Amino acid sequence: EAQVTQNPRYLITVTGKKLTVTCSQNMNHEYMSWYRQDPGLGLRQIYYSMNVEVTDKGDVPEGYKVSRKEKRNFPLILESPSPNQTSLYFCASSFRLLDRGLNTGELFFGEGSRLTVL
Amino acid sequence: DQQVKQNSPSLSVQEGRISILNCDYTNSMFDYFLWYKKYPAEGPTFLISISSIKDKNEDGRFTVFLNKSAKHLSLHIVPSQPGDSAVYFCAASAGTGGGADGLTFGKGTHLIIQP
Repeated sequence: EAQVTQNPRYLITVTGKKLTVTCSQNMNHEYMSWYRQDPGLGLRQIYYSMNVEVTDKGDVPEGYKVSRKEKRNFPLILESPSPNQTSLYFCASSFRLLDRGLNTGELFFGEGSRLTVL
Repeated sequence: DQQVKQNSPSLSVQEGRISILNCDYTNSMFDYFLWYKKYPAEGPTFLISISSIKDKNEDGRFTVFLNKSAKHLSLHIVPSQPGDSAVYFCAASAGTGGGADGLTFGKGTHLIIQP
């Protein structure tokens, strides 16, 4: 089954304790991205990756790191979490959005990771 | 600067009637538009898309209309069903010329279908 898998789905942590949210996709997608969803703000992009070893900042990258060492994995790292990073996080993947001839540019989303930083 | 705007946070429609969800954008470089649907405790799922070379795209009960001159698109759902109750996100992407930073999303509209 084609899917994007995130872990953990729920996490409560404390300020300053490093954490990693993993994301894995089994569709051989080049493009992967992280979003956060907050009430009244919709979905905002944190980081994205066009391919292995290629990452770039989205709209709200502060306080986050990512890596793309393998095509299927795109972990989101919070080195020193703060309460303002309490949010619902979504990982997504697709074939390259530029390749419109091959696909619709459709993003496949994971089920979300709800993070609470105390 | 919000480039994709969904000005209605929520919309209530009676079952069987038409639901119309609106979206406005400001970036004239956007040339591809998508709608996503999101249920609670799930990730968004792709619903329907439209390229800027078209003004209408239809898929079953769902039709998206694009008015480029007004920088406006709308999603029509006919007839509305209880399972359509969800948050709908409008999204847009800009061109094929590189700098492909993915999709810009609106804040979403919560559609509630009343029985």
